Amino acid sequence: AQTVTQSQPEMSVQEAETVTLSCTYDTSESNYYLFWYKQPPSRQMILVIRQEAYKQQNATENRFSVNFQKAAKSFSLKISDSQLGDTAMYFCAFMNSGGSNYKLTFGKGTLLTVNP
Amino acid sequence: DTGVSQNPRHKITKRGQNVTFRCDPISEHNRLYWYRQTLGQGPEFLTYFQNEAQLEKSRLLSDRFSAERPKGSFSTLEIQRTEQGDSAMYLCASSLLGQGNYNEQFFGPGTRLTVL
Repeated sequence: AQTVTQSQPEMSVQEAETVTLSCTYDTSESNYYLFWYKQPPSRQMILVIRQEAYKQQNATENRFSVNFQKAAKSFSLKISDSQLGDTAMYFCAFMNSGGSNYKLTFGKGTLLTVNP
Repeated sequence: DTGVSQNPRHKITKRGQNVTFRCDPISEHNRLYWYRQTLGQGPEFLTYFQNEAQLEKSRLLSDRFSAERPKGSFSTLEIQRTEQGDSAMYLCASSLLGQGNYNEQFFGPGTRLTVL
């Protein structure tokens, strides 16, 4: 079974600064996907960024980028130029590719607060 | 709004009562998922449907829980004889299974259940 660990329950950052959220995972699979989801207060969860394990290049989406270290099973999220709207719970998630490509396994989340 | 919708958004019930939640997925999405999120935890997979077929149920889904997707469109999740431990946010997600291995899951706003 896969596990996802987020060791930072809470983090804070000043507006316009950069913050990195950590995530480690455990799996015996070689092909899989990793995700960061954002859950704003009282709003629905949305996908921030996705990484395919077979791709060596780190994914980027505007101010969001990841540092994917497959051998270390590490998948951190970097948010540049933080904005007040980035305040949310962030979940790291894992999904197998292939036959069981339907189940997301989530970490416990990191509550990020962006301060003005 | 063409996103995933869930009703009701909040439900308060007394222990021992039955409750039913509804999820309307994004139109034409053939996969539908249910997750449960308790306080301080990430979402945990409960079950999923491909069209009207329920293809997997988590061990978290006791025999008091039943889910249906009768016509491959909306889904209902029923909990019989509710217990205080059932208090949680119940999230629904949908995706379109297409070519390739990856299908992004889009989440609804959730139904928050409180069992007194």
